[in-house]
Amino acid sequence: GENVEQHPSTLSVQEGDSAVIKCTYSDSASNYFPWYKQELGKRPQLIIDIRSNVGEKKDQRIAVTLNKTAKHFSLHITETQPEDSAVYFCAASTSGGYNKLIFGAGTRLAVHP
Amino acid sequence: GAVVSQHPSWVICKSGTSVKIECRSLDFQATTMFWYRQFPKQSLMLMATSNEGSKATYEQGVEKDKFLINHASLTLSTLTVTSAHPEDSSFYICSARGLSGTQYFGPGTRLLVL
Repeated sequence: GENVEQHPSTLSVQEGDSAVIKCTYSDSASNYFPWYKQELGKRPQLIIDIRSNVGEKKDQRIAVTLNKTAKHFSLHITETQPEDSAVYFCAASTSGGYNKLIFGAGTRLAVHP
Repeated sequence: GAVVSQHPSWVICKSGTSVKIECRSLDFQATTMFWYRQFPKQSLMLMATSNEGSKATYEQGVEKDKFLINHASLTLSTLTVTSAHPEDSSFYICSARGLSGTQYFGPGTRLLVL
């Protein structure tokens, strides 16, 4: 089955710096890659997603890139702010079956003022 | 749009009792819902896929007789933890899949078994 690895497990940056989180997946059939942000004790919130027919997607300060050949995708956050501090999860899914998501282990991002 | 609710938000129970958790999609119909378990500082682990009108599909290692799932309608799925024990204490989160394939998560249920 699918396996998703995520790095780093923790990331500490200064406000205004960029943050990059990387994920790799094992199943070449995976074609949907969402990123979720989870604040302490709250539900995961979808922040951006990308499908396999696209190499890059951007939404204001957030961007995601996908390299299908290497089977990895990355989240880029520019001009980080303290409110970006949270745990970020990547996930991968195939279009077949019920689209179940397999999550990475998560990255705890801390943005220091 | 795409709001998913979960009830209760937290529950404390004695060992050996059963606990039912409800997951509802409030403004859309979800033929498929998912149940996850999340331990402190860990990732979301998929427990089972719940399909309206059919039996749930459980992930490897998840006991179907212990975690009963019922997807009675296009907006409601329930998870019942039977004969709960302290090791079942966790944060249980459901998600509902919309037409686009995006999964929207409920707020979660924190279960503490004494």
